[in-house]
Amino acid sequence: EVVMAQSPLSLCVTLGQSASISCTSSQSLVHSDGNTYLNWFQQRPGQSPSRLIYKVSNRDSGVPDRFSGSGSGTDFTLKISRVEAEDVGIYYCMQGTHWPLTFGGGTKVEIK
Amino acid sequence: EVQLLESGGGLVQPGGSLRLSCAASGFTFISYAMNWVRQAPGKGLEWVSSISGSGSSTFYADSVKGRFTISRDNSNNTLYLQMNSLRAEDTAVYFCAEGEALRALGCWGQGTLVTVSS
Repeated sequence: EVVMAQSPLSLCVTLGQSASISCTSSQSLVHSDGNTYLNWFQQRPGQSPSRLIYKVSNRDSGVPDRFSGSGSGTDFTLKISRVEAEDVGIYYCMQGTHWPLTFGGGTKVEIK
Repeated sequence: EVQLLESGGGLVQPGGSLRLSCAASGFTFISYAMNWVRQAPGKGLEWVSSISGSGSSTFYADSVKGRFTISRDNSNNTLYLQMNSLRAEDTAVYFCAEGEALRALGCWGQGTLVTVSS
């Protein structure tokens, strides 16, 4: 099983500042088809998760361009530029390259 | 607009069974893989099971293999999760999620709570 390690566990950010979340996998996430199936999800308090980013850096429809994903191989980053109050929640990375699908433990983002 | 509505959760005794349903609308159901993901109270996300659009391919987490069965009815746009031999550690909110392909989780439903307790 691929282990997904996220850091930090929590993040306290000033409105308008940037935040970065790291996700490291225990194996390369490059699939034999050439794609890297690394996704980022946001879970706001009391809501179900919603996908922000798929295949490392592709934003889902309706996701603000303040959210960006980057990385390759085993190391990935989600960056939130100009943090807004609505960004409060828990962020999860998830790999879809290897079965079973696995999630990181989550990073809680709060506002100072 | 994609809509996923889970149902069937509730309180069940250890060793009991439950069948969850997920009614889908707003997309071509047969063209999408479907997934179940769970979240224990106050915990993170755990993938449970996936099924291909045709239903011919299924995948399970080791923690549920042999006890849970995923299936789908493409004529009624509904996903199912049959859960047998339930344990206390299966207590969680169960979400269904569509995927544009296997390995993908796109839109999620609101979840249904399963509580396994005597």
